[in-house]
Amino acid sequence: QSVLTQPPSASGTPGQRVTISCSGSTFNIGSNPVNWYQHLPGMAPRLLIFSNNQRPSGVPVRFSGSKSGTSASLAISGLQSEDEADYYCAAWDDSLNGCLFGGGTKLTVL
Amino acid sequence: QVQLVQSGSELKKPGASVKVSCKASGYSLTTYALHWVRQAPGQGLEWMGWINTQTGNPTYAQGFTGRFIFSLDTSISMAYLEIDTLKADDTATYYCAREYSNGVSGWLDPWGQGTLVTVSS
Repeated sequence: QSVLTQPPSASGTPGQRVTISCSGSTFNIGSNPVNWYQHLPGMAPRLLIFSNNQRPSGVPVRFSGSKSGTSASLAISGLQSEDEADYYCAAWDDSLNGCLFGGGTKLTVL
Repeated sequence: QVQLVQSGSELKKPGASVKVSCKASGYSLTTYALHWVRQAPGQGLEWMGWINTQTGNPTYAQGFTGRFIFSLDTSISMAYLEIDTLKADDTATYYCAREYSNGVSGWLDPWGQGTLVTVSS
């Protein structure tokens, strides 16, 4: 059971803005940066956001990340059909001395 | 370009062992740590641990001690995940991923394409 809690699903129509939350504790999100990964079926996971709110080159600006206290969020604006994927937050946990992934959120573009 | 290429799918019987390879190209394997992540069918990503590619010292997450072995052959830029005494619930896709760091924090990028290991009699 993951200690980074994400909603199992999210949805939106093309052009909408959706947010995915990730809730943790002082041992993980409260103490360490959060990264987000996009995972399309049959593909390798892809880094989407690092260090809470930084976008790697090649990631569209409509993807953004934020963190406050022990929670983080991924926002996707101008939703597109190709954004339909699973999204995972991740953070280092100081009590486990290991990396934690959230349970993942399946995003459906209606 | 920087990439990790993993070995192909495996079908194994319970009790057998499997060795998954992960070849690094476009950078020196020993420059960055290498992590392993599992995804069981219908489940999310689960961190298995990491290997210090300079010293070869592995660190295993809870639940991945004993039967799971991380190793390296730096002469050919290869990392390995070996699983002994396979069980049906080891059936999963296994990913290797490079940890890139800015000195303050790290993230996994890139990832290998994944290796499906199926354990079935």
